[in-house]
Amino acid sequence: GENVEQHPSTLSVQEGDSAVIKCTYSDSASNYFPWYKQELGKRPQLIIDIRSNVGEKKDQRIAVTLNKTAKHFSLHITETQPEDSAVYFCAASKGGFKTIFGAGTRLFVKA
Amino acid sequence: SAVISQKPSRDICQRGTSLTIQCQVDSQVTMMFWYRQQPGQSLTLIATANQGSEATYESGFVIDKFPISRPNLTFSTLTVSNMSPEDSSIYLCSVWTDSGNTIYFGEGSWLTVV
Repeated sequence: GENVEQHPSTLSVQEGDSAVIKCTYSDSASNYFPWYKQELGKRPQLIIDIRSNVGEKKDQRIAVTLNKTAKHFSLHITETQPEDSAVYFCAASKGGFKTIFGAGTRLFVKA
Repeated sequence: SAVISQKPSRDICQRGTSLTIQCQVDSQVTMMFWYRQQPGQSLTLIATANQGSEATYESGFVIDKFPISRPNLTFSTLTVSNMSPEDSSIYLCSVWTDSGNTIYFGEGSWLTVV
């Protein structure tokens, strides 16, 4: 079945620096790749997503890249702020069917 | 985006009992799913709730333990049966919205089994 690997498990950056989280997926039929941010005690919130017909997508300080050939996708957060501290999950899906999540990355942004 | 309401939001349950979690969506959705998130862990798909038919369970999850109903396109329930402390988790309802072509989560049901 589909497997999604996510690295690193923990990431600590200084405020203002960039943070990069990387994921790989196993099922080449996956065509939708969302990223979620989960703050303590809250549900996962969709922050950005990318579909297989696009290589890169940006929304303000957040960008996601997708390499279909290598089955890699990455989340880039620039100019990090303390409020970016949370757990981030990548996921892979086939049109919304059976979305599988990575193990999560705990991001700490130090002021 | 879809508005997804889950009840209960939190509960403390005695071992050996069962609890039913409800998920209500404010619009008709094709796909509804149930996830479990154990403390400090990622989200694991329990099953896909199929409207009008039996749910499709993932490996490691069985209907006797996690019976699911989906009587229509806006509502589903998940029952956690014969609970043990290992069932202490967050249970999340999620939906795939055809309009937005994306996945949203309910606020989750925090269950503690004592």
